[in-house]
Amino acid sequence: QQQVKQSPQSLIVQKGGISIINCAYENTAFDYFPWYQQFPGKGPALLIAIRPDVSEKKEGRFTISFNKSAKQFSLHIMDSQPGDSATYFCAASSGNQGGKLIFGQGTELSVKP
Amino acid sequence: GAVVSQHPSWVICKSGTSVKIECRSLDFQATTMFWYRQFPKQSLMLMATSNEGSKATYEQGVEKDKFLINHASLTLSTLTVTSAHPEDSSFYICSAYARGNGYTFGSGTRLTVV
Repeated sequence: QQQVKQSPQSLIVQKGGISIINCAYENTAFDYFPWYQQFPGKGPALLIAIRPDVSEKKEGRFTISFNKSAKQFSLHIMDSQPGDSATYFCAASSGNQGGKLIFGQGTELSVKP
Repeated sequence: GAVVSQHPSWVICKSGTSVKIECRSLDFQATTMFWYRQFPKQSLMLMATSNEGSKATYEQGVEKDKFLINHASLTLSTLTVTSAHPEDSSFYICSAYARGNGYTFGSGTRLTVV
């Protein structure tokens, strides 16, 4: 119930391509779905987040698509750049209450020049 | 934007000693602090949740006597790894939550126990 399942585990994309990472959850009490980017030896940094009352949110090259009925959400990185090479984590929580933030397993993205 | 300062960024200690890691929200008051542990190539695993002035709530399998959490104020939480052993070597990350700011993460502490 508390798990967030993320795929793929690793992803290789050519520069300029689209990177897509998917996540699924079970707990319908979750109401906050962020994506984090983490570089080696650093803490995770918030990229973009969505709440279940919208189906899509876009910020620059990053887009979250959210499917409430399927309990799935995904991150799309448009025009991927080598600087985007990092590990990406989806997460979920009952954010309004400051609840536990549960992380997916992570996706190691490598963008080839 | 919201900033969380975590210190030290790395520490090496001898087996059997204790290490304290500090997490401080610099420009906001955090209602809740979270402590995570991350092994190489793995995800962040929540260790405990703490609210200012009350005892921390530990996740299943986390030894509360080994990982002491103190949340003395709305801007400061500390994690003390007591009687550290090599298997405690890991990357420890704190997160501070405030309504309106969401979750803000520290930069992490690399603990190596030798």
